[in-house]
Amino acid sequence: DTGVSQDPRHKITKRGQNVTFRCDPISEHNRLYWYRQTLGQGPEFLTYFQNEAQLEKSRLLSDRFSAERPKGSFSTLEIQRTEQGDSAMYLCASSSDNHGYTFGSGTRLTVV
Amino acid sequence: GESVGLHLPTLSVQEGDNSIINCAYSNSASDYFIWYKQESGKGPQFIIDIRSNMDKRQGQRVTVLLNKTVKHLSLQIAATQPGDSAVYFCAENDLNRSGGSNYKLTFGKGTLLTVNP
Repeated sequence: DTGVSQDPRHKITKRGQNVTFRCDPISEHNRLYWYRQTLGQGPEFLTYFQNEAQLEKSRLLSDRFSAERPKGSFSTLEIQRTEQGDSAMYLCASSSDNHGYTFGSGTRLTVV
Repeated sequence: GESVGLHLPTLSVQEGDNSIINCAYSNSASDYFIWYKQESGKGPQFIIDIRSNMDKRQGQRVTVLLNKTVKHLSLQIAATQPGDSAVYFCAENDLNRSGGSNYKLTFGKGTLLTVNP
């Protein structure tokens, strides 16, 4: 197993465009999380899936954000009508009952 | 709101010295704590964790101490090496709130550790 994979590693987009990020968790992990991290800050929780069910969403996740995990494996995070304030590192993590959080390397989004 | 914070934003040590990174938390219900190391351009890497029924836990070159009385957590790194240079975060979770599963970690701001050769 290669750990949690995120794609792309970097994304530069113009304000107003839509972007989609993908996360492939560790295969035996049933829980998947999205976090956002801005420069100099710790990661902030966005949302959490157990299998395919999205069980919690942070107030940080505005209506422009949507996350899916259709088959309980990989997940996508879409941001519509991007704003400059969306520029951040988007981190994915996965876990199971027997394994704690493992983070991916993140997708760095720059909105210009 | 409740948060996890750090006493020192930066720490500079000489190679071979021991490092101590501190963390204060305010949520008295927190019962699970994790230390992460984050290198530039990478995601947080798990170092060590501790549950609130313990006050000390040791790993390879690392020790975590938990003082629930003053809500303080520390990470001790023995014989610090240049490869230890990174930002260190503590994170907390209330396992009871989470229904027994560990999710929704709350992170502090981080401490930048610089190891001088």
